[in-house]
Amino acid sequence: DQQVKQNSPSLSVQEGRISILNCDYTNSMFDYFLWYKKYPAEGPTFLISISSIKDKNEDGRFTVFLNKSAKHLSLHIVPSQPGDSAVYFCAASANAGNMLTFGGGTRLMVKP
Amino acid sequence: NAGVTQTPKFQVLKTGQSMTLQCAQDMNHEYMSWYRQDPGMGLRLIHYSVGAGITDQGEVPNGYNVSRSTTEDFPLRLLSAAPSQTSVYFCASSYGPAWSDTEAFFGQGTRLTVV
Repeated sequence: DQQVKQNSPSLSVQEGRISILNCDYTNSMFDYFLWYKKYPAEGPTFLISISSIKDKNEDGRFTVFLNKSAKHLSLHIVPSQPGDSAVYFCAASANAGNMLTFGGGTRLMVKP
Repeated sequence: NAGVTQTPKFQVLKTGQSMTLQCAQDMNHEYMSWYRQDPGMGLRLIHYSVGAGITDQGEVPNGYNVSRSTTEDFPLRLLSAAPSQTSVYFCASSYGPAWSDTEAFFGQGTRLTVV
């Protein structure tokens, strides 16, 4: 049973609009969450993270929101650009553990 | 800046063959990990290491061995390849553990096909 789920395998948005990628988790021990971006034939690259003591973290065009009661996080990209087209993975970890648990990924396509 | 280097990039094996996937990093990171990526499954942790001489199992360790004799290198060995091990393998390294505020750097991946 997947502990981190990204229920939308793909998302298509128009350039300049907002992209919202969602992620749900089931393990209440998770207290640190990350988003990675992956282009074809490359390894994932770190995008943004959030600790469970916060409910929002911003970095330029990227904002991650965490709703602990709903066990849900989302990544907002505003404005979306064609270069943002990639697969986005959310990941989670629990304190005192060394493992990252990844979701299945969402393929974002930003159309010019 | 080399970062994390994985070799080979592509490999085809016959069932039952063994091989070693190489991973090297030049950032003096203590933490290194191996993941496999399968469609719809995201990345799953195979083995990880918190420093030279120390390794531990991840989520899907069966059929794989690792060792960490130096800080720089973390090879992944497939003992007897099976078609279920067909996947894309990623090596990652980081300064700190997964739950700390440190970024993990990934290699470009090794696409392995077992026939």
